[in-house]
Amino acid sequence: QVQLQESGPGLVKPSETLSLTCSVSGASMFDYFWAWIRQTPGKGLEWVGDISYTGSVSYKPSARSRVTISVDTSMKLFSLTLKSVTAADTAVYYCASRATSGGGQLEHWGQGTLVTVSS
Amino acid sequence: DIRLTQSPSSLSASVGDTVTITCRASQSIGNSLNWYQQKSGRAPKLLIFGASSLQSGVPSRFSGSGSGTDFTLTISSLQPDDFATYYCQQSYAIITFGAGTNVEIK
Repeated sequence: QVQLQESGPGLVKPSETLSLTCSVSGASMFDYFWAWIRQTPGKGLEWVGDISYTGSVSYKPSARSRVTISVDTSMKLFSLTLKSVTAADTAVYYCASRATSGGGQLEHWGQGTLVTVSS
Repeated sequence: DIRLTQSPSSLSASVGDTVTITCRASQSIGNSLNWYQQKSGRAPKLLIFGASSLQSGVPSRFSGSGSGTDFTLTISSLQPDDFATYYCQQSYAIITFGAGTNVEIK
């Protein structure tokens, strides 16, 4: 079955860069868009952006200046970098597969990783 | 951004009850509306896509309806495993989520 697994540091200092990677198994990288979503108690679930196997990206407009999502189809992984983080970026970060047709639904999710921004 | 307003924000129900959760979009989104279930400490799980299509493996007591701006998730004969938080999500434009509905045991 399709499995996604996030990895990366759980603690990032303010003003530094958050970097996460999502490893994909059980699916072809060509079959989905690959998304990052984060969740906080205050703002709930928030789509950060996603990428296709071609490298075509979409970002949440308010995050566009700080976010980069990249994909490595040969290694079956995709990555998130978020620059100049603040405490407001503290969240559980999920990676997910998004259907390319139908309702654009997020079909498969990683277990999530908590990233805390603190000095 | 398209805003999704879920109601109620929480509800209490008993095993065997039928529960209805609504999601209203700030503009028409066709049928680009999906529903998820999330349990504490876990990732969301897709239940319904395209407003009314049941995701593979999801029990048939879950159903979705609606189009345009008004959507409904119905859980028939609530089971102990169904006590969780439910979210709607639209993909008509930049993806957004509703604030969630917490279904608690009465």
